[in-house]
Amino acid sequence: KAGVTQTPRYLIKTRGQQVTLSCSPISGHRSVSWYQQTPGQGLQFLFEYFSETQRNKGNFPGRFSGRQFSNSRSEMNVSTLELGDSALYLCASSWGRRDSNSPLHFGNGTRLTVT
Amino acid sequence: GQNIDQPTEMTATEGAIVQINCTYQTSGFNGLFWYQQHAGEAPTFLSYNVLDGLEEKGRFSSFLSRSKGYSYLLLKELQMKDSASYLCAVRDLGNKLIFGAGTRLAVHP
Repeated sequence: KAGVTQTPRYLIKTRGQQVTLSCSPISGHRSVSWYQQTPGQGLQFLFEYFSETQRNKGNFPGRFSGRQFSNSRSEMNVSTLELGDSALYLCASSWGRRDSNSPLHFGNGTRLTVT
Repeated sequence: GQNIDQPTEMTATEGAIVQINCTYQTSGFNGLFWYQQHAGEAPTFLSYNVLDGLEEKGRFSSFLSRSKGYSYLLLKELQMKDSASYLCAVRDLGNKLIFGAGTRLAVHP
């Protein structure tokens, strides 16, 4: 069974640009969560999508947005990039049932560098 | 607010036992997870606790005390390949999985 796939693996952008990252979950998983990982802060929760609806949101500015398609694939967009947005962006999928021990399965991430 | 604390770094010797602690204060509690992350790789699921007590899985065990907001991950018979970061994460009542900053474990011969 294929794992979580994120594209691209690496991105270099300049300040002020915008970027779109893509995530394909494990087949059958309906929940997709996005995290930002930096050396000092660890994994910071961005948002979670379930059945094309945003179910949870972290404390990031409105420049960070996402969406989920009917096939559960998800995209994350960051507009007006800042230097501080340089990070590893991880996508994770799960069955999404609230009361279960269903763990998150992570992709290998997209390494974004903003110059 | 949400707060999950773990030690930043630990070192241990091959063959030994190491315990990585995690304390948490979150908006409700709906389970605690431990993940392992090797440098440059994705985090991978290790264990899950939702009730008090010890869960054992091979060389790895995880303990939970909900009343104390405390968990630990116990690694036995350490191997060099266990050198990695270990992430403690709590699922809150809104189903968000909140992660600690992680503990970097270095295993030396």
